Amino acid sequence: ETGVTQSPTHLIKTRGQQVTLRCSSQSGHNTVSWYQQALGQGPQFIFQYYREEENGRGNFPPRFSGLQFPNYSSELNVNALELDDSALYLCASSFWGQNYGYTFGSGTRLTVV
Amino acid sequence: QKEVEQDPGPLSVPEGAIVSLNCTYSNSAFQYFMWYRQYSRKGPELLMYTYSSGNKEDGRFTAQVDKSSKYISLFIRDSQPSDSATYLCAMSPQRADSWGKLQFGAGTQVVVTP
Repeated sequence: ETGVTQSPTHLIKTRGQQVTLRCSSQSGHNTVSWYQQALGQGPQFIFQYYREEENGRGNFPPRFSGLQFPNYSSELNVNALELDDSALYLCASSFWGQNYGYTFGSGTRLTVV
Repeated sequence: QKEVEQDPGPLSVPEGAIVSLNCTYSNSAFQYFMWYRQYSRKGPELLMYTYSSGNKEDGRFTAQVDKSSKYISLFIRDSQPSDSATYLCAMSPQRADSWGKLQFGAGTQVVVTP
């Protein structure tokens, strides 16, 4: 059974640029959630995808967007990068309707300069 | 005020000691309570989850939930240097519109010294 894999592991971008982060779900899971974890903080919920549609969103602006593909993999896109977007971005997969037991990937460390 | 409060530490204990971690919360709708362990440069790993109030034990780990006080705890017995990590509490209501949306504490850094 494979876990959640994310790519790339590290990324450096310039303010104003756009970035795409990728996530492959754990085998059998059909739901993907994305979280942002700033240094020294707990993860903050960005949004969740199920059946290729956004289902639930946290307090993040529209320049944070995502996609889910038929194989349940997912992308997180961030436009017009700001310095405060520098963080660890975590992907978590689960079964739809599950309140616990999310499997997290190791994350993508994004640095905006 | 944050919905979930957790002391960031660091918490330093000698090997073999009991590690005691806790979180307080303000949202009475929370029904699922989880503890995650996060090593440096890694994603969170689920240690334990509890539904509603009560205690749960798994090996050296014990999780307690006191909903009347809005207080949860994690105890690690016979701590090992490999337990050195950041421990995150997380919570979720039992509502369809909250699926996937975990509310995390800031995490407590634990250092177990040999």
